[in-house]
Amino acid sequence: DAGITQSPRHKVTETGTPVTLRCHQTENHRYMYWYRQDPGHGLRLIHYSYGVKDTDKGEVSDGYSVSRSKTEDFLLTLESATSSQTSVYFCAISRTGDGYTFGSGTRLTVV
Amino acid sequence: QQQVKQSPQSLIVQKGGISIINCAYENTAFDYFPWYQQFPGKGPALLIAIRPDVSEKKEGRFTISFNKSAKQFSLHIMDSQPGDSATYFCAASRRDAGNMLTFGGGTRLMVKP
Repeated sequence: DAGITQSPRHKVTETGTPVTLRCHQTENHRYMYWYRQDPGHGLRLIHYSYGVKDTDKGEVSDGYSVSRSKTEDFLLTLESATSSQTSVYFCAISRTGDGYTFGSGTRLTVV
Repeated sequence: QQQVKQSPQSLIVQKGGISIINCAYENTAFDYFPWYQQFPGKGPALLIAIRPDVSEKKEGRFTISFNKSAKQFSLHIMDSQPGDSATYFCAASRRDAGNMLTFGGGTRLMVKP
């Protein structure tokens, strides 16, 4: 999607290893969000950011941490990956808090 | 606690028919209600949105109907086309709570030719 990229697109990792997912935007939007998508659950908010170094927890934040040292980058870290964290992860950006633009997602498999 | 409940989980409609997806919410403080469309392998994309000061919003073949007293809103797709086959998500947010979107569980729509 224009203005927002996620990396990697796919990753397979072993249980207990740390994993970092990256979201990069070129829109200079203030708000950035990390969601996970699982069948039957829709999208659930993990963490969000409302500015550089300003972050807060979402609905399903346990086992995840985030950092935002620059406006354009929002990193999601799984401190010690578990099989329950196998999911598709989406980053979203918003200028005003309305009308999110989502990235193309990262499919993470924890084996 | 699921604050936004969406139904049905899946829907099959014939080409040219009307697709209707329903959502119900619990938190009366929600003040923004968007619908997102997602194709396989892609991120969700904003389709149409409404605020509670109006009861209906139409954009092309897509209409949101909003019932504040019943705490329900729905998406109607008129003249459904095979290209509309996708997963649809309703969502809700509050300005006074950081505008974080709470999503429904999604509806997988298939439009048969």
